[in-house]
Amino acid sequence: RKEVEQDPGPFNVPEGATVAFNCTYSNSASQSFFWYRQDCRKEPKLLMSVYSSGNEDGRFTAQLNRASQYISLLIRDSKLSDSATYLCVVNPSSGSARQLTFGSGTQLTVLP
Amino acid sequence: DTGVSQDPRHKITKRGQNVTFRCDPISEHNRLYWYRQTLGQGPEFLTYFQNEAQLEKSRLLSDRFSAERPKGSFSTLEIQRTEQGDSAMYLCASSKRGEQYFGPGTRLTVT
Repeated sequence: RKEVEQDPGPFNVPEGATVAFNCTYSNSASQSFFWYRQDCRKEPKLLMSVYSSGNEDGRFTAQLNRASQYISLLIRDSKLSDSATYLCVVNPSSGSARQLTFGSGTQLTVLP
Repeated sequence: DTGVSQDPRHKITKRGQNVTFRCDPISEHNRLYWYRQTLGQGPEFLTYFQNEAQLEKSRLLSDRFSAERPKGSFSTLEIQRTEQGDSAMYLCASSKRGEQYFGPGTRLTVT
């Protein structure tokens, strides 16, 4: 079983739609959680951290359910520029080294 | 540009040759990471440095791979006797305490 699992998609949605991505992780001791965005042939960039209380940044909302080991990302009013691969990322370590474990990514295409 | 830089951006090599990649982290970042990414997959952790000390190595890092960060600044990743399975994007990231910032990567093709 992969440590971080995501639905690979692709998700093709019209502009203005709301889309949700889900992710599960296997290591219950995982300490911190993130969503990264990766454009085609570019490096990953941090989109947002995910907190137990849930957090929102503009059109993006991230939630964490530690009991179910489940992370979600909701994008509202999607824009063409949201087209990218969204990577669910977990820090499995409780030590100082922040070795990140990435899911395989969910591909999103927002259509005009 | 004060971001993470990597050199070269692309490398094509024949099977059996040695290759070396360089990463220059953001200047005040003491932590440096190497990842490998293949098509359709997320990046996979290879190794981690804090200053010049290599503190973690993934089991993915076979004996043919070696990484150094001699003065705690730039880092090199060398692959000896390359195999076709080494074809991938090699990403470097750096951090101070929190967010890891990724470089643009070196795309390796082994023919």
